[in-house]
Amino acid sequence: DGGITQSPKYLFRKEGQNVTLSCEQNLNHDAMYWYRQDPGQGLRLIYYSQIVNDFQKGDIAEGYSVSREKKESFPLTVTSAQKNPTAFYLCASSIDRTGVETQYFGPGTRLLVL
Amino acid sequence: QKEVEQNSGPLSVPEGAIASLNCTYSDRVSQSFFWYRQYSGKSPELIMSIYSNGDKEDGRFTAQLNKASQYVSLLIRDSQPSDSATYLCAVFPPGGSYIPTFGRGTSLIVHP
Repeated sequence: DGGITQSPKYLFRKEGQNVTLSCEQNLNHDAMYWYRQDPGQGLRLIYYSQIVNDFQKGDIAEGYSVSREKKESFPLTVTSAQKNPTAFYLCASSIDRTGVETQYFGPGTRLLVL
Repeated sequence: QKEVEQNSGPLSVPEGAIASLNCTYSDRVSQSFFWYRQYSGKSPELIMSIYSNGDKEDGRFTAQLNKASQYVSLLIRDSQPSDSATYLCAVFPPGGSYIPTFGRGTSLIVHP
């Protein structure tokens, strides 16, 4: 059963702590993305990766870091430099089907600050 | 700056009515258009895609695209309370850039 998994579902961060959100996909998709969603707001792109070992900053990359060592995995680290990390984090992946992109989302991780 | 605009709503319709959701975009060369449904506290779920001018129907959903006027709409026929959600419009540029632009979403409430 193919899909995108994110863990944990809820994550609590203490002041000054780095935390890592997991994202795995078994859809054989090339591109993967991280978005942040705040209440009543749209999706804001944090980082994206089109191929393994390569990634690009999105609109709000400050305070975040990523890696793409495997095609199926794209973890996001929220560093202590991110002063307002409380949000709903969404991982997505996409594949070019006959030249057209289709993007699918994981279930999300809700990050809360203690 | 590429923009995708949606009325935030809420759009309230009675059960059984047609709900009409609209989206306009600024990048004239945009190629692919998607509608996602997002229930409160959940992740977006892809419900429709459209690439060519005209209408595309899938069950109770119809997507309409007009590239000349730069708008895309989603019609939901026979609206049900279970359709109550936020609907996100997403626009992909051409050329495999991989980066969509999302609207902020329209909240739809279907009341019995």
